[in-house]
Amino acid sequence: GQQVMQIPQYQHVQEGEDFTTYCNSSTTLSNIQWYKQRPGGHPVFLIQLVKSGEVKKQKRLTFQFGEAKKNSSLHITATQTTDVGTYFCAEAGGTSYGKLTFGQGTILTVHP
Amino acid sequence: DAGITQSPRHKVTETGTPVTLRCHQTENHRYMYWYRQDPGHGLRLIHYSYGVKDTDKGEVSDGYSVSRSKTEDFLLTLESATSSQTSVYFCAIRETGTGILGELFFGEGSRLTVL
Repeated sequence: GQQVMQIPQYQHVQEGEDFTTYCNSSTTLSNIQWYKQRPGGHPVFLIQLVKSGEVKKQKRLTFQFGEAKKNSSLHITATQTTDVGTYFCAEAGGTSYGKLTFGQGTILTVHP
Repeated sequence: DAGITQSPRHKVTETGTPVTLRCHQTENHRYMYWYRQDPGHGLRLIHYSYGVKDTDKGEVSDGYSVSRSKTEDFLLTLESATSSQTSVYFCAIRETGTGILGELFFGEGSRLTVL
């Protein structure tokens, strides 16, 4: 099945610093979804990217889909303590069943 | 809130015992999924369902079975639990009509410990 590699696995930042997590695949991705999971919580959908080169923003979060549709990134500007958690990318593949293949996730810690 | 309830939320059991986790939804969505979450592995799909009595295997289905006799309930069974099945299990649904690109809504999770 589709392999989606996510790096880094861990990231520690000081509050106010920027943060980026990357999602990579050796094959073309049909789409990318991003989820956030707060400590002790469940994954919550953030955004979906479908088009080559697509860029979407949500306040301090910027999501990008590579031109070749083989990579994606999530960038957080000026992190806050509320940003702590695990960020996952996921790809739905080309089936109609909507199965998602998730990356391993990046655990973000923000030090005040 | 997608109306997803998982039970039990926490369970401790012994190796070799059967365990059933229940996922209940209140909004008649067609697609339901069971994932397990382990450190370093992200979320991995165990089984999924695309309708009543319609189920299929995911990437880590060995040792697990599922049943869906009603639209609202998707059961995950470990016939004989092993320590390697200690994990957090998440049920998810995809809202009907959102197509293959629809996002998943997850339940609160069930933490299973097999001693």
